[in-house]
Amino acid sequence: QKEVEQNSGPLSVPEGAIASLNCTYSDRGSQSFFWYRQYSGKSPELIMFIYSNGDKEDGRFTAQLNKASQYVSLLIRDSQPSDSATYLCAVNTDKLIFGTGTRLQVFP
Amino acid sequence: DTEVTQTPKHLVMGMTNKKSLKCEQHMGHRAMYWYKQKAKKPPELMFVYSYEKLSINESVPSRFSPECPNSSLLNLHLHALQPEDSALYLCASSHVSRPGDGYTFGSGTRLTVV
Repeated sequence: QKEVEQNSGPLSVPEGAIASLNCTYSDRGSQSFFWYRQYSGKSPELIMFIYSNGDKEDGRFTAQLNKASQYVSLLIRDSQPSDSATYLCAVNTDKLIFGTGTRLQVFP
Repeated sequence: DTEVTQTPKHLVMGMTNKKSLKCEQHMGHRAMYWYKQKAKKPPELMFVYSYEKLSINESVPSRFSPECPNSSLLNLHLHALQPEDSALYLCASSHVSRPGDGYTFGSGTRLTVV
């Protein structure tokens, strides 16, 4: 079993819709969870982190964590074409481990 | 300064060459990392330095040799690489005591081995 799993996509949503990205992890001892955005040919950019069960909102982004289910999600409201990128879920135990990423396509 | 700076941005080297990748940060981070990323794959951890000491080596071949000369600098020395080592090499840094703050990544060095 992979440590951090994501659906590779692509996830296609129309402009203005909500994009929902999901991630599961295997290590129950994981304490902190991150969402990075990576545009093609660029380096990962941190967009959200979450430590506690529940929701955390930052602008159009909401991260959700359920430690009992070992599940992390990212919601992007009012999706824009500029949100089209690969979204990497990352989990920190003693090191940061990335999922395979979900490619999001937002079409006009 | 909230940046991690990597040089060079692009590097083409032959299999018999020796080259070095450089990484610099001035955010006071005392943990620094090297990741390797192949196309359409996630970043894979190679090395972790904590307080300038190597703390994690993810079974990386010896043709990759990391060095942390001080708290702001991280190097990756390359020797006798193979074409399959061509990838984007990412440097990152973070606080040792607050890893939950996340890692800050540099823009990467795109390496091509010919």
